[in-house]
Amino acid sequence: GQQLNQSPQSMFIQEGEDVSMNCTSSSIFNTWLWYKQDPGEGPVLLIALYKAGELTSNGRLTAQFGITRKDSFLNISASIPSDVGIYFCAGQRRSSGTYKYIFGTGTRLKVLA
Amino acid sequence: GAVVSQHPSRVICKSGTSVKIECRSLDFQATTMFWYRQFPKQSLMLMATSNEGSKATYEQGVEKDKFLINHASLTLSTLTVTSAHPEDSSFYICSASSVEWGYNEQFFGPGTRLTVL
Repeated sequence: GQQLNQSPQSMFIQEGEDVSMNCTSSSIFNTWLWYKQDPGEGPVLLIALYKAGELTSNGRLTAQFGITRKDSFLNISASIPSDVGIYFCAGQRRSSGTYKYIFGTGTRLKVLA
Repeated sequence: GAVVSQHPSRVICKSGTSVKIECRSLDFQATTMFWYRQFPKQSLMLMATSNEGSKATYEQGVEKDKFLINHASLTLSTLTVTSAHPEDSSFYICSASSVEWGYNEQFFGPGTRLTVL
């Protein structure tokens, strides 16, 4: 199935550093979402973006919905050890009468204390 | 709010047997539920979408006779893996959305790890 291109694939950072990751698509989405998944658990919603150009923050997290509606980025400021995990972007579009997600390939984040 | 549970969290079964996984929305009415499969170190791949009271819509390449989905109420959907084989071993995750939110967000369950021996 289709997946969105997410980069970087993985990254090691020092505690306190800022992190940036992005997600790109060849097609347009109506909504962009960012999720975090810990090992052996389901994804947890971090931020949802509904309008092109929208910039939204949730604590240390900031995400933007690209103006072309084909991309989004997520920034994490002042990273802490509990930020470790896999971050997935998801684009949502209406298909066959249902709103479906297409997930990105994931960014695996490791924070060094 | 918006809590989704799955049961069981882990299941091990013998090849050829069937396994049922339940997905429940605990504090809202889930108009639509989704089933995903995730292989190790990979992303989530949508298997099927189910609306309460309707037949599920399967994604291309997903065998509807092998992965039976039932969405009989607004709080419960089940996925039955029939005649399971080792290649069906995976992490199965459900999610739910509601017409109350304009379907904009899906909330995910904790996942079920299936191991077929």
